[in-house]
Amino acid sequence: KAGVTQTPRYLIKTRGQQVTLSCSPISGHRSVSWYQQTPGQGLQFLFEYFSETQRNKGNFPGRFSGRQFSNSRSEMNVSTLELGDSALYLCASSLDMNTEAFFGQGTRLTVV
Amino acid sequence: QQQVKQSPQSLIVQKGGISIINCAYENTAFDYFPWYQQFPGKGPALLIAIRPDVSEKKEGRFTISFNKSAKQFSLHIMDSQPGDSATYFCAALNYGGATNKLIFGTGTLLAVQP
Repeated sequence: KAGVTQTPRYLIKTRGQQVTLSCSPISGHRSVSWYQQTPGQGLQFLFEYFSETQRNKGNFPGRFSGRQFSNSRSEMNVSTLELGDSALYLCASSLDMNTEAFFGQGTRLTVV
Repeated sequence: QQQVKQSPQSLIVQKGGISIINCAYENTAFDYFPWYQQFPGKGPALLIAIRPDVSEKKEGRFTISFNKSAKQFSLHIMDSQPGDSATYFCAALNYGGATNKLIFGTGTLLAVQP
């Protein structure tokens, strides 16, 4: 069974640009969550989707948004990029609510 | 109240020794406590998890000890091996809240010396 797939693995963007990251969950999983990982702030929850509905949102500015499609694939978008947005963005896939989370390898975003 | 405090920040253990990482939480609504292991360039991988209705859970060389009254839990790695060198994160989740939102500790960088 394939794991969680995140694309692209690495990305370099310029301040002010926008970026879209993609996550394909494990087949059959309906819940997708996104996290931002930085050396200073650690792992912080961005948002959570279940059956195309956003269930939870973390404490991030409105520049961070996401969505989930009918096939459970998810995308997150960051607009007007800032240097501080440089981070590893991780997607976690869960079969259902209240079930184990499996993480992808992440997308390393560098904003210059 | 949503925080999970983790210590130590880094740990050096000799091969064959016991590695101990501690976490503490405030929110009594948390009812699921997983530990994740992360190697450089990889995403976190679930290692072991515990619910508060038990005080200890063991899987191979990995044991979670849970103290509900103190709101603390810890990971013990017995017979630590160089291959265990990684960053370890504790986490907490409110399953009763119908969410998969994990609150993570700050991480412990473990180095097991041969």
